[in-house]
Amino acid sequence: EVQLVESGGGLVQPGGSLRLSCVVSGFTLSSYWMHWVRQAPGKGLVWVSRIKNDGSSTSYADSVKGRFTISRDNAKNTLYLQMNSLRAEDTAVYYCTRSDYYDAWGQGTMVTVSS
Amino acid sequence: QSALTQPASVSGSPGQSITISCTGTSSDVGSYNLVSWYQQHPGKAPKFMIYEVNKRPSGVSNRFSGSKSGNTASLTISGLQAEDESDYYCCSYAGSSTFVFGTGTKVTVL
Repeated sequence: EVQLVESGGGLVQPGGSLRLSCVVSGFTLSSYWMHWVRQAPGKGLVWVSRIKNDGSSTSYADSVKGRFTISRDNAKNTLYLQMNSLRAEDTAVYYCTRSDYYDAWGQGTMVTVSS
Repeated sequence: QSALTQPASVSGSPGQSITISCTGTSSDVGSYNLVSWYQQHPGKAPKFMIYEVNKRPSGVSNRFSGSKSGNTASLTISGLQAEDESDYYCCSYAGSSTFVFGTGTKVTVL
């Protein structure tokens, strides 16, 4: 069974940092490009970032470029999102999702940026 | 990276067909056959419903179909059922390794 499990969310002050993790099972992580997608409370889905299957290429939404870093450790079956200089507007549920089709999703982890 | 435009809500009676539009630009929907659709029930993760405009993953009902004309993609749900009541989102590749989602549509079964 394909599973993606996010963790690392929580409450952080503006300007702070968090590192999200997404542990996958049931498939070979190294075979897939992976993404992070977020959803603010009561709002729609927003694409955040993508990373190539071997980690050699990354891309970001303009809203997070320069502040967020996506990475992966295929040996540990884990995808990461390092989030720095967090702002109130980064408050959202963060989902990791598989492939450019987003054909599998985790349950999400909530990030709240507030003082 | 502006969101694709979807109607906020669409409704229909059981058994009817409804269509949800997803309007982008010549830089995203109009340039690539990489439009996908997702169903999201409240408090749940999205579910993959359609990819590459009109392809259905295994396990998705054939009542769901996709199409595209110019800068607008569409999702049609035929034989509407109570379980189809949900939020629906489109997504398109937008070039330069970026992606963009639609604003989302709430489907109500009357």
